[in-house]
Amino acid sequence: KQEVTQIPAALSVPEGENLVLNCSFTDSAIYNLQWFRQDPGKGLTSLLLIQSSQREQTSGRLNASLDKSSGRSTLYIAASQPGDSATYLCAPYGNKLVFGAGTILRVKS
Amino acid sequence: EPEVTQTPSHQVTQMGQEVILRCVPISNHLYFYWYRQILGQKVEFLVSFYNNEISEKSEIFDDQFSVERPDGSNFTLKIRSTKLEDSAMYFCASRLIGTGGLETQYFGPGTRLLVL
Repeated sequence: KQEVTQIPAALSVPEGENLVLNCSFTDSAIYNLQWFRQDPGKGLTSLLLIQSSQREQTSGRLNASLDKSSGRSTLYIAASQPGDSATYLCAPYGNKLVFGAGTILRVKS
Repeated sequence: EPEVTQTPSHQVTQMGQEVILRCVPISNHLYFYWYRQILGQKVEFLVSFYNNEISEKSEIFDDQFSVERPDGSNFTLKIRSTKLEDSAMYFCASRLIGTGGLETQYFGPGTRLLVL
C-alpha cells in the first residue's frame, strides 16, 4: 500500500527566499507524480506532473525532481512570493493518486 | 481553458438522506475519479471510472456509494444513506486516456457536504 510523507509539515519564510519541499513514497511502481497547490477551503490546482521516466520538470519558478528508485520527489520554489502561500500536496500515481498530508507554506512580505 | 465543474458547491443534509453530487468533466476526457477530504485530513481516493464501469474503488467506497455517467457530460456520485462521517469535501477529477496514466488529472473545485 502506497504511503506518502511530506516534510516539513509547515514552513514560514520571508519573501524572496528559495525553498524546497520534500515528498517520499513507499511504492516506486508509479507512472507519474503530481504536485498540487491547495488554498484554504478550495480545490486542487495541478502545478507539475513529472513522469516516472523523467528526472525533472519545470514550470516558471517551480522545479520538481523525481528519484523513483529511492521514492523521493522535491519541489523547488524560487524567489518565493506572498501569493505562493498555500498547502502543497504531492501525489504519486500508480493506478490512483495517493496524497501526502501536505506542506503548509506561508511567505511573509 | 477547459475545467472540471461541480455542483452544488455546498450541501447540507440530514443523516440517512440520499445525496447526489454532480460533476462535469473536461469534455474530451474519458477517465473520471472521485476523491474526498475530511476536514484537516489527507485527500483520499474513492473510485475511478472508465468506459462506463468502475475501474477501481477504495475500501471507503462501500455499498452506500455509487457512481454513474447518466449522459455524455455528467458524472455523479450518490450516497444512499448519509452518515455523519460522510461530511467532507468531495472532489471530482478527470484525465485524458493515454499510455500508462501519464496524463495530468484535473480537479474540480469540490462540493462541501455537511451531514447533520
